[in-house]
Amino acid sequence: NAGVTQTPKFRILKIGQSMTLQCTQDMNHNYMYWYRQDPGMGLKLIYYSVGAGITDKGEVPNGYNVSRSTTEDFPLRLELAAPSQTSVYFCASSYSGTPTNYGYTFGSGTRLTVV
Amino acid sequence: SQKIEQNSEALNIQEGKTATLTCNYTNYSPAYLQWYRQDPGRGPVFLLLIRENEKEKRKERLKVTFDTTLKQSLFHITASQPADSATYLCAPQRDNQGGKLIFGQGTELSVKP
Repeated sequence: NAGVTQTPKFRILKIGQSMTLQCTQDMNHNYMYWYRQDPGMGLKLIYYSVGAGITDKGEVPNGYNVSRSTTEDFPLRLELAAPSQTSVYFCASSYSGTPTNYGYTFGSGTRLTVV
Repeated sequence: SQKIEQNSEALNIQEGKTATLTCNYTNYSPAYLQWYRQDPGRGPVFLLLIRENEKEKRKERLKVTFDTTLKQSLFHITASQPADSATYLCAPQRDNQGGKLIFGQGTELSVKP
């Protein structure tokens, strides 16, 4: 049982380049989330999805896009990368939107640097 | 807008003592509050969930309280160990928030032997 898997673990992008951060989960969770975490700061919600085909914006969606074609996968797309998008990105999942005693399961993160 | 505040300064304590971390929230009334642990370079790991009607919850050496009048949750680690050193994040959540979990900035705990 792998949980939430994120790839790549590290990436350096040049300003203006694009990339997709991959996230997949094998727990049959309906809800999936993308967060970013800047040094010394808390997690900021970028986008989330309540099921295949349904996505919505979080606190800081600008500069990002998502899609959810399957229950398992929730890729995050960065178009025209900017230095302000240098951060650590975490994908997470949960069975439902109502909290349970299992909480949210997070991936190990993707460290992105834009130069 | 909803605001979550955790101790911004790192908490340094001696091994064996009780660590107490604070999570304050304003401008909303959460029905749930989650606590997570995050180690450097890793994703957060879920520790405990407390509901608004539970007031207190325990799990091994961990104890969480939820005071809806003070709009505050306290997170206690008793008999602390160096292995408890990490950043602890709180996440108060409204009942109709649709899964959108918003986190505090976290408090770094350092337990010295």
